[in-house]
Parts: sequence; C-alpha cells; structure tokens
Amino acid sequence: DPKIIQKPKYLVAVTGSEKILICEQYLGHNAMYWYRQSAKKPLEFMFSYSYQKLMDNQTASSRFQPQSSKKNHLDLQITALKPDDSATYFCASSPRWFSAETLYFGSGTRLTVL
Amino acid sequence: GDSVTQTEGLVTLTEGLPVMLNCTYQSTYSPFLFWYVQHLNEAPKLLLKSFTDNKRPEHQGFHATLHKSSSSFHLQKSSAQLSDSALYYCAWGSGSWQLIFGSGTQLTVMP
Repeated sequence: DPKIIQKPKYLVAVTGSEKILICEQYLGHNAMYWYRQSAKKPLEFMFSYSYQKLMDNQTASSRFQPQSSKKNHLDLQITALKPDDSATYFCASSPRWFSAETLYFGSGTRLTVL
Repeated sequence: GDSVTQTEGLVTLTEGLPVMLNCTYQSTYSPFLFWYVQHLNEAPKLLLKSFTDNKRPEHQGFHATLHKSSSSFHLQKSSAQLSDSALYYCAWGSGSWQLIFGSGTQLTVMP
C-alpha cells in the first residue's frame, strides 16, 4: 500500500485557472515537502514543513501556496496557472526536518497547463 | 555557493560492464550525501547515503565512497544489469537543512 498518497495522478488545467494538489502521508513523519520535476529543472525543491510550520520556501512566486490542515497533510494550491507550471509535482516526507534524513516520495501529480 | 554537480546527463553502456556515475559537491560544511534512483514513471527513492557508521554504503550492488579530499561521492557498480536503467540523482543535505538534488544522470543499460 502506498504510504504517501498524492491526488490526482494526472491533472490538466487551462491557463489562468487554479488547482489544488493533495498529499497525505501515513508514515508518521513530522516533516513534509514539495518538489517539482520538469525537463528544465529536475527535482527542484519548493517547500518544507515541520509540524505544520513552514520552514523553508524556495519558490519565487506567491502563486504557489502550501496548505497544511493536519500534520500528515500538505496540499499545494497553485493559482493563475501558466504553461510553464507544467511539471510533475512530488510530495515527500521524512521523520524529521533535517538534511540528513531520507526522503520518501509520493508517486507524483503530473500537471499539464494548456 | 554550496552545490552538487553531476557532470553526465546521459550514460549508456552494455550489460555486464562497470558503472560509475560522477557526483561532486561544493560546500563549506561537511555535507550529507545521497544517491536517489528514479525508474520510469515512478517516484524517486533512496539508493544509498554517505554516513552509515563509517562503513561504505552499499545497496543492490551499488556503492559510493565519500572522498572529502576531492569533494566527490561517485556511484559505482561492478556489473550493470538491464534493470539498472533509470535516472540517478546525487543529493546533498545542506547546512540549511534542505536536500538539494543534482541535475541527474540518465543511465541506460543495453543488452
């Protein structure tokens, strides 16, 4: 059974619209992350959360907003979508928020913006 | 600034030959280094990491040795298998507690 669930697996959106990517982890981890993978920038770090607090944000645009309603949830809201946002978005988690920890990744949401 | 570099974007070799994928880092700290592997249409997953009780980390026949003198953590395997075809990322745990991935090396093993 997958321990990190990302929904939906595939998402098609039109330019200018807004979408929410869902992530839930059942590993009992305290830290969660979002990474983006595209042809231009493989596995680019976006956000990290620890105990539902934002710890690090490397996303230049405010159009990307993480949302954590529970410790094991970290959704990603993307507004005013652009074709350049097309990528696979991976949610990940680790036992602690610490650079020595192993990251466990979900299966990703592949977003296509037309 | 601090960074991790993978010089090869694509590596193609024949089954049974040795594998070496390069990874170098630049850091003012003593870093934590990792290799992650991503098979086609799958999520990345940990292959091995650099700080396993001073032992050389090994997994699935792969190993890597952290050389602080040359700032390297190259991934090696003595004999490639078809199932090793995948995207390999070297990753670096920075002093700011953020895991940074290199640009990745696509390994293709031919029969």
